[in-house]
Amino acid sequence: AQSVTQLGSHVSVSEGALVLLRCNYSSSVPPYLFWYVQYPNQGLQLLLKYTTGATLVKGINGFEAEFKKSETSFHLTKPSAHMSDAAEYFCAVTVSSGTYKYIFGTGTRLKVLA
Amino acid sequence: GAVVSQHPSWVICKSGTSVKIECRSLDFQATTMFWYRQFPKQSLMLMATSNEGSKATYEQGVEKDKFLINHASLTLSTLTVTSAHPEDSSFYICSAKIPGFNYGYTFGSGTRLTVV
Repeated sequence: AQSVTQLGSHVSVSEGALVLLRCNYSSSVPPYLFWYVQYPNQGLQLLLKYTTGATLVKGINGFEAEFKKSETSFHLTKPSAHMSDAAEYFCAVTVSSGTYKYIFGTGTRLKVLA
Repeated sequence: GAVVSQHPSWVICKSGTSVKIECRSLDFQATTMFWYRQFPKQSLMLMATSNEGSKATYEQGVEKDKFLINHASLTLSTLTVTSAHPEDSSFYICSAKIPGFNYGYTFGSGTRLTVV
């Protein structure tokens, strides 16, 4: 079975500061990993995903994440936070089992301070 | 491309009534759609997976008679909350698998259901 743990339900950063949102996964088979962003009362927007290949993946809005198998992690980073980055971020995992089902983490609410 | 339109965005209904939520794929054919439920400040919980032309597969603990899912066409899936109660109040989100992308999904904008 797969699971996802997001450390820190709330993260606050100053505008211009580094954003680091943590995600650790558990999977008995090679995982596929995703980061989504959700703005209030809206659906989810894909930021980036890792399936195979390069372990450092770049996404939209300047975000990137690195798949580290040895640490079972897929942390999301952005060098410089912008006020518009304030939102809820979800890490998700699935595997190539054909079911295409996601397991979502509990989410991290990012607050950007002026 | 690959847009999913979900309606309504919010709905208030009385206890005991039924509410239908629609999820339409606008520019692609969605053979597989997913329905999620999100409680306040919590993560998304998968309720069911629907495949066009067949019965939906419900996750453990989800009442299939209460949450009726119909996926009768390649562009439309509906979730009907029957005999709604206040505890059914939640944010419901649909998602569709994008053809040609094994792990590409697009999400609807969600429906806020309030049962009074």
